[in-house]
Amino acid sequence: NAGVTQTPKFRILKIGQSMTLQCTQDMNHNYMYWYRQDPGMGLKLIYYSVGAGITDKGEVPNGYNVSRSTTEDFPLRLELAAPSQTSVYFCASDGRVQGASGANVLTFGAGSRLTVL
Amino acid sequence: DQQVKQNSPSLSVQEGRISILNCDYTNSMFDYFLWYKKYPAEGPTFLISISSIKDKNEDGRFTVFLNKSAKHLSLHIVPSQPGDSAVYFCAATSGTYKYIFGTGTRLKVLA
Repeated sequence: NAGVTQTPKFRILKIGQSMTLQCTQDMNHNYMYWYRQDPGMGLKLIYYSVGAGITDKGEVPNGYNVSRSTTEDFPLRLELAAPSQTSVYFCASDGRVQGASGANVLTFGAGSRLTVL
Repeated sequence: DQQVKQNSPSLSVQEGRISILNCDYTNSMFDYFLWYKKYPAEGPTFLISISSIKDKNEDGRFTVFLNKSAKHLSLHIVPSQPGDSAVYFCAATSGTYKYIFGTGTRLKVLA
């Protein structure tokens, strides 16, 4: 059981380049999230999805795009990389039923460290 | 606007002693709180949680206390072990999809 898998683990980009961070989960979870972690800043929500075909912005969405064509995959795209996007990115999922109340535990991937120079 | 705050960026504790990690929140709508533990080069992993209808939840060496009137929660680790050395994040949610995380506290347990 792989859980949440992120690729690549590390990447260096030049300013203005584009790339996609891949995230896939094999737990059939409906909810998926992208967070970024900056030093001393905790985890900030970039985008989230409550199911295939449905995505929405989180706290810090500028400069990013997402899609959710399948339950398993939730890629994060950076179109024009900027130094401010240097960060560690975490994908997460939880298995709640859409519309249900309460809270579920998030399962995180191992992270993708991105440096923009 | 930091809705969930962990004011101590780091904490050092002797092995065998108690570790107390604190977390404050500002949003009174939060009704569920979680603690995550993170080792270097790994993703955060769930540790323990508490619903707002409780004031204490215990799981082995880990206990979380919630003081709703003070909007404060704390994580107690007794006894602390070197393997507990990690960054600890508290998170809060109002029962929806959004989990708001604190900035983390780096715990170092000294052997």
